[in-house]
Amino acid sequence: AQKVTQAQTEISVVEKEDVTLDCVYETRDTTYYLFWYKQPPSGELVFLIRRNSFDEQNEISGRYSWNFQKSTSSFNFTITASQVVDSAVYFCALSEANKAAGNKLTFGGGTRVLVKP
Amino acid sequence: DAGVTQSPTHLIKTRGQQVTLRCSPKSGHDTVSWYQQALGQGPQFIFQYYEEEERQRGNFPDRFSGHQFPNYSSELNVNALLLGDSALYLCASSLRHPWTEAFFGQGTRLTVV
Repeated sequence: AQKVTQAQTEISVVEKEDVTLDCVYETRDTTYYLFWYKQPPSGELVFLIRRNSFDEQNEISGRYSWNFQKSTSSFNFTITASQVVDSAVYFCALSEANKAAGNKLTFGGGTRVLVKP
Repeated sequence: DAGVTQSPTHLIKTRGQQVTLRCSPKSGHDTVSWYQQALGQGPQFIFQYYEEEERQRGNFPDRFSGHQFPNYSSELNVNALLLGDSALYLCASSLRHPWTEAFFGQGTRLTVV
């Protein structure tokens, strides 16, 4: 069975500070996909980034960056120079790479980020 | 390009009643998944529809059922509502491949009293 754990329930920062969100996952699959989603107060989940399990290269996309370490089953996400609009709940998610599985997502419990002006 | 649309946005039902939630996927998407999100928790996978058939199911009782229509839209039905069914129900649309990102609707907030 797959499992995603986000140990941080809430993080509060002042605008322009960096925010790092932790994510640890469990899976028996050797190939899988990892995602980060953002959920603003309006409710819809917004896709942010994804990474496949056979590519551990860390990347930066605008103010977002991620650190994927297969050896520790971690997929951490960083927001650089946070802004008030970044205030939301952030979810880490895992999906199997088996096409028959479609893209069923297993989510963590979420981390609420509050960015104060 | 319209994204994923869900209706209704809010719903109040009495314990024991039945409810139907609706979802129209993003244009070009053929796969619809439903998730239940209790307050303060992450979304939990209910089931997924592709080619009008249920392809995968999460750990939910048979009271939860669904349907997908030829135009890819979908319905989620819940029978014999319990107080514990109160949650935000999210619809996600995507292409079938697990690599593709899912696009979510704003959800239906169901309250069972």
